[in-house]
Amino acid sequence: SQELEQSPQSLIVQEGKNLTINCTSSKTLYGLYWYKQKYGEGLIFLMMLQKGGEEKSHEKITAKLDEKKQQSSLHITASQPSHAGIYLCGAIGSGSGNTGKLIFGQGTTLQVKP
Amino acid sequence: DVKVTQSSRYLVKRTGEKVFLECVQDMDHENMFWYRQDPGLGLRLIYFSYDVKMKEKGDIPEGYSVSREKKERFSLILESASTNQTSMYLCATRGWGRTYEQYFGPGTRLTVT
Repeated sequence: SQELEQSPQSLIVQEGKNLTINCTSSKTLYGLYWYKQKYGEGLIFLMMLQKGGEEKSHEKITAKLDEKKQQSSLHITASQPSHAGIYLCGAIGSGSGNTGKLIFGQGTTLQVKP
Repeated sequence: DVKVTQSSRYLVKRTGEKVFLECVQDMDHENMFWYRQDPGLGLRLIYFSYDVKMKEKGDIPEGYSVSREKKERFSLILESASTNQTSMYLCATRGWGRTYEQYFGPGTRLTVT
């Protein structure tokens, strides 16, 4: 079965610093989703990547899917306290067809110190 | 604007009670999902539905059932709640096809005492 591994598991950065979170899949990714979750709340959709080499940005967050479609990275530039939370990557499972059933990584907890 | 709502943000129930969690979406999406999220275990799929009255088991369906009588509404039922079902429950919806984005509701934190 397909698995997603995120690294690091947790991260503490000083406000203003850049950071990167990685998501690695055991199989080819057909769709890769990035979500952000504040503690105790639902998941907020950030971006979806599908094509090898694809890169998308939203405000100061950039996500990229590598050419081989087995790894994605999420990069935050000039981090702010509002960026704090749990970042999760999700992927369409290799046997999910068109239903969109997702598997998820364990999440990366980000703290940003003012 | 995308909207997925869940009936309760917080819920406390007693062991053995029947519990209903409801999810409503306004995006006309075919697919709806119920996940539970636990520390150290991440998100795990309980059930999903790809059409009205259609349902499929996810990875951890034991102790749960679902109902989808209307396209916009997907209910998760705990027939007899147990303490190991204390968790955060998240509903999600998605259109048909690989290009669609998947959106989540705000979650229901259920405590079973």
